Amino acid sequence: KAGVTQTPRYLIKTRGQQVTLSCSPISGHRSVSWYQQTPGQGLQFLFEYFSETQRNKGNFPGRFSGRQFSNSRSEMNVSTLELGDSALYLCASSQRAGTGDYNEQFFGPGTRLTVL
Amino acid sequence: AQSVAQPEDQVNVAEGNPLTVKCTYSVSGNPYLFWYVQYPNRGLQFLLKYITGDNLVKGSYGFEAEFNKSQTSFHLKKPSALVSDSALYFCAVTLYGNNRLAFGKGNQVVVIP
Repeated sequence: KAGVTQTPRYLIKTRGQQVTLSCSPISGHRSVSWYQQTPGQGLQFLFEYFSETQRNKGNFPGRFSGRQFSNSRSEMNVSTLELGDSALYLCASSQRAGTGDYNEQFFGPGTRLTVL
Repeated sequence: AQSVAQPEDQVNVAEGNPLTVKCTYSVSGNPYLFWYVQYPNRGLQFLLKYITGDNLVKGSYGFEAEFNKSQTSFHLKKPSALVSDSALYFCAVTLYGNNRLAFGKGNQVVVIP
């Protein structure tokens, strides 16, 4: 099976702009989670989508949003970019068979966002 | 709230020597524990997990980890380190049925030839 893919791999934006990142999960995986990785804050959970519904949300401002499509692909959007949004954004997918079962999350290579 | 502590910033070990990366956790319930490894400019690769059962968990690339409930620890170990094991290692915890991983700050492992 192909792994988790993320596009684009690198992105440069300026303050105030908005950006959309894309994630394609492993075939058959229905849960997609997003994480932000920075040197100062480490890895932080942004949100999780399952069957096109947001299931969990981390402690990020409303400028960070996401969605999931019927084919389980997911996008995240950051509006009004700030310098502090510069980070590696990682997407992870899992099967999420439901309550009583748990599967590990498989991560994509990430999108490196630089805000100037 | 769930949290993970990885007390050491960097672990240096000579090639061939045992490698240990420490992790302690804090959750209000039964934890699901994970170890991931990250190489430069790459995403996280899954190494192993503890859900329930045997406290000693074996994972990929010769790594293993021991779950200790009384000490709330989940230390990662490898009997004989390789130079190729040099990477950033993350411990993570989540609660039952929850995909929201809480990660430690990470440990840089440097294996010296």
